[in-house]
Amino acid sequence: AQSVTQLDSHVSVSEGTPVLLRCNYSSSYSPSLFWYVQHPNKGLQLLLKYTSAATLVKGINGFEAEFKKSETSFHLTKPSAHMSDAAEYFCVVTSTGFQKLVFGTGTRLLVSP
Amino acid sequence: DTEVTQTPKHLVMGMTNKKSLKCEQHMGHRAMYWYKQKAKKPPELMFVYSYEKLSINESVPSRFSPECPNSSLLNLHLHALQPEDSALYLCASSQEPGTNQPQHFGDGTRLSIL
Repeated sequence: AQSVTQLDSHVSVSEGTPVLLRCNYSSSYSPSLFWYVQHPNKGLQLLLKYTSAATLVKGINGFEAEFKKSETSFHLTKPSAHMSDAAEYFCVVTSTGFQKLVFGTGTRLLVSP
Repeated sequence: DTEVTQTPKHLVMGMTNKKSLKCEQHMGHRAMYWYKQKAKKPPELMFVYSYEKLSINESVPSRFSPECPNSSLLNLHLHALQPEDSALYLCASSQEPGTNQPQHFGDGTRLSIL
């Protein structure tokens, strides 16, 4: 079965410093992976997706992620954090047959001035 | 702005009431989903509709009754809910069922059961 582990429940950064949110996955086949962001009282917004094309994926708002099969990782990065990046971030993998999404437990990103 | 629209944004109801949540998308997506999200937790899948037919029911209690009247609209009928059903209910859609196309989420309905 597919699973996702988000290694940090909370990450705190200062505005203007780099962001790293870590995600490891387990999959018995070549997975599709996504990062979603959820701001307070909002739904989930797709940041980026990996679907077996380029291993370095660029998303919206300056975020990017690198798929590393050897490390089974799909970490999310951003060179410079902005106050508006403060939110909950979910790493997600598709289930077998792509019928469902399997969510990580989430990482709360805190950005201080 | 989200392309999946959910109404109402907030709903407070008693345990004996009957209410409905509504979800609409005009992207031509043929798969639609209902999720339940408790505070500080990831969303939990409840139902999946593929081409307007129920394809997945994640053992959801019968007090939740989904309906897909057409390809753009998804309803969730609520009856005799319990306090533990208080949560954010999210609707999502994707282009085709059973593919790796991403799901697009609405902003949800925050439901409180008195």
